Amino acid sequence: AQSVTQPDIHITVSEGASLELRCNYSYGATPYLFWYVQSPGQGLQLLLKYFSGDTLVQGIKGFEAEFKRSQSSFNLRKPSVHWSDAAEYFCAVGARYGDYKLSFGAGTTVTVRA
Amino acid sequence: GAVVSQHPSWVICKSGTSVKIECRSLDFQATTMFWYRQFPKQSLMLMATSNEGSKATYEQGVEKDKFLINHASLTLSTLTVTSAHPEDSSFYICSAESFSGGHNEQFFGPGTRLTVL
Repeated sequence: AQSVTQPDIHITVSEGASLELRCNYSYGATPYLFWYVQSPGQGLQLLLKYFSGDTLVQGIKGFEAEFKRSQSSFNLRKPSVHWSDAAEYFCAVGARYGDYKLSFGAGTTVTVRA
Repeated sequence: GAVVSQHPSWVICKSGTSVKIECRSLDFQATTMFWYRQFPKQSLMLMATSNEGSKATYEQGVEKDKFLINHASLTLSTLTVTSAHPEDSSFYICSAESFSGGHNEQFFGPGTRLTVL
């Protein structure tokens, strides 16, 4: 079964600064990879996804992520953070074969200071 | 496209009552839907996989008699929390699976906040 680790529980970043959220996964093959954002009391919004092809993936809201097979990582980046980016971010990994279940990381809370 | 709705968005009930939550895929058909539970400040935990026309598959530790799942059509799955107690208070999120572009993908509903008094 697949698993996901998000090493950073909480990150505080200044508005306008760059942001990088880490995600490491464990899976026997190349998985499907996702980043979601969740505002308080809200559902999940998909930021970006990786299925195959170009390992640098562009998403919504100016986010991008890079799949690195050698490091089993799928880190999320944004060059300049806005106050509205304060939220909970979840990395998820899905099985490419079989039951297609998703496994979520524990999440990283992003706080943006003025 | 690929919109999933949940109803209700929030519900408050008394201990001992049952609560039904609906998950609908609005613009696509989904043979498989998933139900997740999220406690405050925690991640999503998969509760069960709902398959149209068959019994749901529950994850280890989830009581199937407590959380009844019915997937009666290709656009609707329901989760009924039976004899709810305060410890069942949580945020319940569903997703519906769609196959497009050569791969499966889950589309998430907005969630249902359940508070049991």
